[in-house]
Amino acid sequence: QSALTQPASVSGSPGQSITISCTGTSSDVGGYNFVSWYQQHPGKAPKLMIYDVSNRPSGVSNRFSGSKSGNTASLTISGLQAEDEADYYCSSYTTSSARVFGGGTKLTVL
Amino acid sequence: QVQLQESGPGLVKPSETLSLTCTVSDGSIGSYYWTWIRQPPGKGLDYIGYISYSGGTNYNPSLNSRVTISIDTSKNQFSLKLSSVTAADTAVYYCTRFAWGQNWFDPWGQGTLVTVSS
Repeated sequence: QSALTQPASVSGSPGQSITISCTGTSSDVGGYNFVSWYQQHPGKAPKLMIYDVSNRPSGVSNRFSGSKSGNTASLTISGLQAEDEADYYCSSYTTSSARVFGGGTKLTVL
Repeated sequence: QVQLQESGPGLVKPSETLSLTCTVSDGSIGSYYWTWIRQPPGKGLDYIGYISYSGGTNYNPSLNSRVTISIDTSKNQFSLKLSSVTAADTAVYYCTRFAWGQNWFDPWGQGTLVTVSS
């Protein structure tokens, strides 16, 4: 299984919105509504931010939202804040019941 | 909130077997699917595999021949063995879980760095 494709980096100014894409195939992202997103600060474990494409766990800011179209899922962060600066990873269920991650995107808040 | 804690040697020699254990703080070991994920230094997350509470397993095809995940419900623990390691297996290893019918990982252990070096 190949890793999902994410941009290596994105950036935005405080208050702005950014979108991170996650592209897979019909065997993973496109075939199931089982995409999740994780935030990882340096030296810390990943934290669940979005599950099942567009659902937010309790406690996650509503500034975070997810969507999917075809084989590409997206994470949008609105009203950027300094604390949002982190690495973001998407993950998807696959036809073999395995899971696959994206390569990660480094978000810089300018 | 359940807590997961990885433990095991931080240094493993090339060609030997890496062994890690994840201890689950509550009694939920019998209700979830228990997963190992790793992250090489400066790189992204890599799915290793999972084991169900009943012992069923699923492994990353790229590691399938070297990986074994087992579970001990009496000790609230599950374990990872990765054989014939090389420097490419140097990574922070995380344990985490997902529920049946769900497809997200939460929570995660703090991670443990395993270095493969002679």
